[in-house]
Amino acid sequence: AQSVAQPEDQVNVAEGNPLTVKCTYSVSGNPYLFWYVQYPNRGLQFLLKYITGDNLVKGSYGFEAEFNKSQTSFHLKKPSALVSDSALYFCAATALIYNNNDMRFGAGTRLTVKP
Amino acid sequence: DGGITQSPKYLFRKEGQNVTLSCEQNLNHDAMYWYRQDPGQGLRLIYYSQIVNDFQKGDIAEGYSVSREKKESFPLTVTSAQKNPTAFYLCASSPRGLKDNEQFFGPGTRLTVL
Repeated sequence: AQSVAQPEDQVNVAEGNPLTVKCTYSVSGNPYLFWYVQYPNRGLQFLLKYITGDNLVKGSYGFEAEFNKSQTSFHLKKPSALVSDSALYFCAATALIYNNNDMRFGAGTRLTVKP
Repeated sequence: DGGITQSPKYLFRKEGQNVTLSCEQNLNHDAMYWYRQDPGQGLRLIYYSQIVNDFQKGDIAEGYSVSREKKESFPLTVTSAQKNPTAFYLCASSPRGLKDNEQFFGPGTRLTVL
């Protein structure tokens, strides 16, 4: 079965600095990878996804993620963090060979951007 | 204004009671999902429905039940058999349930057992 790991429970960055939220995955075959963001007491919002094609994926709110097949990683990045980026971020993974209900989410990383 | 609505936002239940969480979508999506979110554990799938009158168990279906009588509605019942139901419950939908589709999430229901 596939799995997703987000090795950092918490990431702290200063406003204006670049941010990285890490994600590694384990799936059989070619992965489908997603990033979602959750603000307090809200549902998840989709940020971006990798299905195929360019390894660098651009998404909402200036976020991007780089797919690295050899390292089985899909790290989320932003060149300049905003205080409003502070939220809980989830990475998710699945693959074509799995059942339709088999999307795996990481445990989440709490990003805090300080002014 | 399209989207997914969940009600109520907060729900309190006494031990031994069944409660039903509502989920409605007007996005015309075929697939709908229920997840449970606990601190530090991410999201875990409870039930999944790809089409009307069809649904499948997820990883933690025990103590829960669902129905899918209409395309836009996917209510979740938390039964008294669920031993630890206090959690944040999220409903989601996607256009066709295919794995390359992102999911659209509702605002969630926080259930507390008293």
